[in-house]
Amino acid sequence: GAGVSQSPSNKVTEKGKDVELRCDPISGHTALYWYRQRLGQGLEFLIYFQGNSAPDKSGLPSDRFSAERTGESVSTLTIQRTQQEDSAVYLCASSLTANYGYTFGSGTRLTVV
Amino acid sequence: DAKTTQPPSMDCAEGRAANLPCNHSTISGNEYVYWYRQIHSQGPQYIIHGLKNNETNEMASLIITEDRKSSTLILPHATLRDTAVYYCIAPSSGTYKYIFGTGTRLKVLA
Repeated sequence: GAGVSQSPSNKVTEKGKDVELRCDPISGHTALYWYRQRLGQGLEFLIYFQGNSAPDKSGLPSDRFSAERTGESVSTLTIQRTQQEDSAVYLCASSLTANYGYTFGSGTRLTVV
Repeated sequence: DAKTTQPPSMDCAEGRAANLPCNHSTISGNEYVYWYRQIHSQGPQYIIHGLKNNETNEMASLIITEDRKSSTLILPHATLRDTAVYYCIAPSSGTYKYIFGTGTRLKVLA
């Protein structure tokens, strides 16, 4: 597609439930990134995928967070047993290669109640 | 990544040039300076990047000092739609973990 697409745009979930967030990168972009942005804060790096290489998961805050990517296409970020502190906007970005200008999606606003 | 320092907020009159400064005094020779902006409720948008020469594109100009310790993003004729948070980042060469701080909140006033 023309841009990075994320779904859903908004998600309200009860504490303790699992959620799955989806990212469709720009076609042909080999690099894909997930960031988290809490209200009024900067962006926190979560995870990076580059082609078929092993992902860099060093930014994932706990083992409740996981992410997968199928080849060079769709990625899903899963948060298990959600907590209130997980409330944030989750942003996905893709780029042609690593360290090339990112294109961000509009994000998924997650609210845990 | 080189540490970057930006003022937390700035105002600019509509139609005037907006000059957003960024200090990156610890930048090394092969680290680029990137600028992104984030309009409310949207993901960050790439604006421009540069290494040592000044750069210009359809959105903005980037002026980098000769010693590369600071740079200025210039929006030549600011409009209300330029109201956003502007991020200056200087990632280490070969890294992909961009570190976005809290940026400069630019408010363009009518």
